[in-house]
Amino acid sequence: GDSVTQMEGPVTLSEEAFLTINCTYTATGYPSLFWYVQYPGEGLQLLLKATKADDKGSNKGFEATYRKETTSFHLEKGSVQVSDSAVYFCALRGSGGYNKLIFGAGTRLAVHP
Amino acid sequence: DAGVIQSPRHEVTEMGQEVTLRCKPISGHNSLFWYRQTMMRGLELLIYFNNNVPIDDSGMPEDRFSAKMPNASFSTLKIQPSEPRDSAVYFCASSSTGARDQPQHFGDGTRLSIL
Repeated sequence: GDSVTQMEGPVTLSEEAFLTINCTYTATGYPSLFWYVQYPGEGLQLLLKATKADDKGSNKGFEATYRKETTSFHLEKGSVQVSDSAVYFCALRGSGGYNKLIFGAGTRLAVHP
Repeated sequence: DAGVIQSPRHEVTEMGQEVTLRCKPISGHNSLFWYRQTMMRGLELLIYFNNNVPIDDSGMPEDRFSAKMPNASFSTLKIQPSEPRDSAVYFCASSSTGARDQPQHFGDGTRLSIL
């Protein structure tokens, strides 16, 4: 079945460092891919998405490119801030329809001043 | 626009008691999802509805859990009887299937503690 694998956290960075969080997937067909972010005490929020191969999703300085050849959707940001500290979830739209999402386990990011 | 609204935000109760969690999806959304989040198991999809009809409840852990969606603007998740291992954060999310690949919008969750 469809699945998403994320790098294990926590990821600890200093402010202004470069961020990469790896995400790979297994899916039939051509899934859409998403990154969600969860701040402490809150629900998940959509950060960015890509719906077809070679699409790049971007938002708030974050970006991720849909790579079909490597089945990957890695999240990157050039310069992280303390306010980016959160848990990041990679997800794909399952083949079952109804916008059901398959989530990765989440990666916790901690950014220190 | 109002987002997904969940109530209560926090619930503390003794084991054996009935617990009811409530969710109001975003107006116009026709899919609704219930999730459970714990440190040990991460984010788990429990059940989801489309046009008020349950589509897949394979994630519901056992018969003590039940969910209903009597109309397009309201859903409940009930646990009866509750047990300490049900302690978790429960999220409701909604989505529109009218357009392809619309994201799910999450509520802020209900933090449930069973003593």
